[in-house]
Amino acid sequence: SQQGEEDPQALSIQEGENATMNCSYKTSINNLQWYRQNSGRGLVHLILIRSNEREKHSGRLRVTLDTSKKSSSLLITASRAADTASYFCATDARETSGSRLTFGEGTQLTVNP
Amino acid sequence: EAGVVQSPRYKIIEKKQPVAFWCNPISGHNTLYWYLQNLGQGPELLIRYENEEAVDDSQLPKDRFSAERLKGVDSTLKIQPAELGDSAVYLCASSLGPQTDTQYFGPGTRLTVL
Repeated sequence: SQQGEEDPQALSIQEGENATMNCSYKTSINNLQWYRQNSGRGLVHLILIRSNEREKHSGRLRVTLDTSKKSSSLLITASRAADTASYFCATDARETSGSRLTFGEGTQLTVNP
Repeated sequence: EAGVVQSPRYKIIEKKQPVAFWCNPISGHNTLYWYLQNLGQGPELLIRYENEEAVDDSQLPKDRFSAERLKGVDSTLKIQPAELGDSAVYLCASSLGPQTDTQYFGPGTRLTVL
């Protein structure tokens, strides 16, 4: 079952613009992660934000987390054509024997040169 | 450092035939995951191993799917017999340990069942 829901499902922007993707989830989490997937490839970990954090930065990426609204956003600034990919949020529902990531359905980002 | 290796990359089979996928995790990674990814959706966990023990297989359809991780390194995922609805990408991932947050994914095996 998919816990996270990304919004929008698809986003098309021009190079240099900012891209914002949102993720909503249903249950309590320990952390939320964002992954990128280029077409025909595996997923690549981008950034992790813990439940006690509100904002995190990594290069051109900025992630926010609002646990009261059970939502997160991923902002990519100054986008490049190479940022074209699918972006997934994943929530960590940690169980006694370890963690399990539950992925959303993803946002397809297209950055036009 | 080599990443997660999967083979084959593509597989086309007739329904009711068996199929197997192989995964070699990153060296030193004790935790191994198999995911199924349908077109346009995110990955869904099938099974998670800690070394050679399957610690989370609640979402593995055990009537036709099986997996093993002998010696706690490489792993194989098998489907027998395959059905049309099994067409998907099968992803393998690994992480250092059960409490490690970052998972490293392989490129996946795209299965087409005709």
